[in-house]
Amino acid sequence: QVTLRESGPALVKPTQTLTLTCTFSGFSLNTTGMYLNWVRQPPGKALEWLALIDWHDDEYYSTSLKARLSISKDTSKDRVVLKMTNMDPLDTATYFCARMANDGNGDYLDHWGQEILVTVSS
Amino acid sequence: DIQLTQSPSFLSASVGDRVTVTCRASQGISNALAWYQQKPGKAPRLLIYVASTLQSGVPSRFSGSGSGTEFTLTISNLQPEDFATYYCQQLNLYPLTFGGGTKVEI
Repeated sequence: QVTLRESGPALVKPTQTLTLTCTFSGFSLNTTGMYLNWVRQPPGKALEWLALIDWHDDEYYSTSLKARLSISKDTSKDRVVLKMTNMDPLDTATYFCARMANDGNGDYLDHWGQEILVTVSS
Repeated sequence: DIQLTQSPSFLSASVGDRVTVTCRASQGISNALAWYQQKPGKAPRLLIYVASTLQSGVPSRFSGSGSGTEFTLTISNLQPEDFATYYCQQLNLYPLTFGGGTKVEI
């Protein structure tokens, strides 16, 4: 059974760095064709893709946020960490981690975490 | 970046209706498109991937079609539990991107 769970602070101050951890089970990020994504959703707004790391340690980022994001994995502990620097109130959102898999036909985000709401305020 | 434009943004419908949501890509993405359903306070749920493949466990009243730059999600015989927001996502090129969403309301 695949599960993912986000953890991190619920409140951060402007200019601080946000560190979110996705702890997962039921699959391995060492398996070819496995990826871990971060997605966020400001209140009342659309989903926004942030970043991805794959089984090969390749990293990909949102163009608009690339300068502020870093993603890393600890496969021995089945965890992926996302860091976002210089937080702003506009970064207030629900953050999700999601597994991306490929069944030979294409990619898809098939399992999502429960979400974590992060508020940026002084 | 590939932009995805969904239409309409809002859709009013009744139980039993057939509804269609369109997703247009700013450049060709082959069939690398997925559709998700999201209900308030919940994570998105995968419905369809590679444009037309139904995810396991998803009712057959959901269907997807299209390739290149134009895609559609169709829900036939709309059920009460289908009132939600639907998003398309392209997985052809990084960065991955989502459409702006379509809210299906009663």
